[in-house]
Amino acid sequence: EAQVTQNPRYLITVTGKKLTVTCSQNMNHEYMSWYRQDPGLGLRQIYYSMNVEVTDKGDVPEGYKVSRKEKRNFPLILESPSPNQTSLYFCASSGRGRGTEAFFGQGTRLTVV
Amino acid sequence: DAKTTQPTSMDCAEGRAANLPCNHSTISGNEYVYWYRQIHSQGPQYIIHGLKNNETNEMASLIITEDRKSSTLILPHATLRDTAVYYCIVRVGGSGAGSYQLTFGKGTKLSVIP
Repeated sequence: EAQVTQNPRYLITVTGKKLTVTCSQNMNHEYMSWYRQDPGLGLRQIYYSMNVEVTDKGDVPEGYKVSRKEKRNFPLILESPSPNQTSLYFCASSGRGRGTEAFFGQGTRLTVV
Repeated sequence: DAKTTQPTSMDCAEGRAANLPCNHSTISGNEYVYWYRQIHSQGPQYIIHGLKNNETNEMASLIITEDRKSSTLILPHATLRDTAVYYCIVRVGGSGAGSYQLTFGKGTKLSVIP
């Protein structure tokens, strides 16, 4: 089954403690991205990757890092989380070509206290 | 990417067709119209997309006006499980970075009423 898998689904952490949210896709997609969703602000893109070792900033990249060492994985790293990074996070992937659809993970609800 | 305008919310009776409008008056020739929905706090789900012609799949139909400045997503027989936020997104075609990016607006909250 084609899917994007994020882990963990829920995470409560403390300010400043480094964490990684993993994302993996099984569709051999070139493009992967991370979004955060906050009430009243909708879905905003954090980072994206066009292919292995190619990443770029989205609309709200501050406080986040990503890496793309393998095609299937695109982890989101918070080196020093702060309470304003409390949010619902989604990973997405899509293939190359006109009119391709994006597949989204189930989401990671992060709370930073 | 072109900006889209959608109503904030709509109600639809269960079993009836739900017609969700979207305005994209600044759409350019190489931009596609995509529809996604998000049920509660799940990941957005792709529904359908089109360029010029009307499209239909197992989930919905997409009607795009001849001037491409607006479109309507039709769920032919809405069920309670179709209650969700529906996003209309205009997305450029091609193979560059912009062709992959999805810019989400506020969407339309559709409530299907029993």
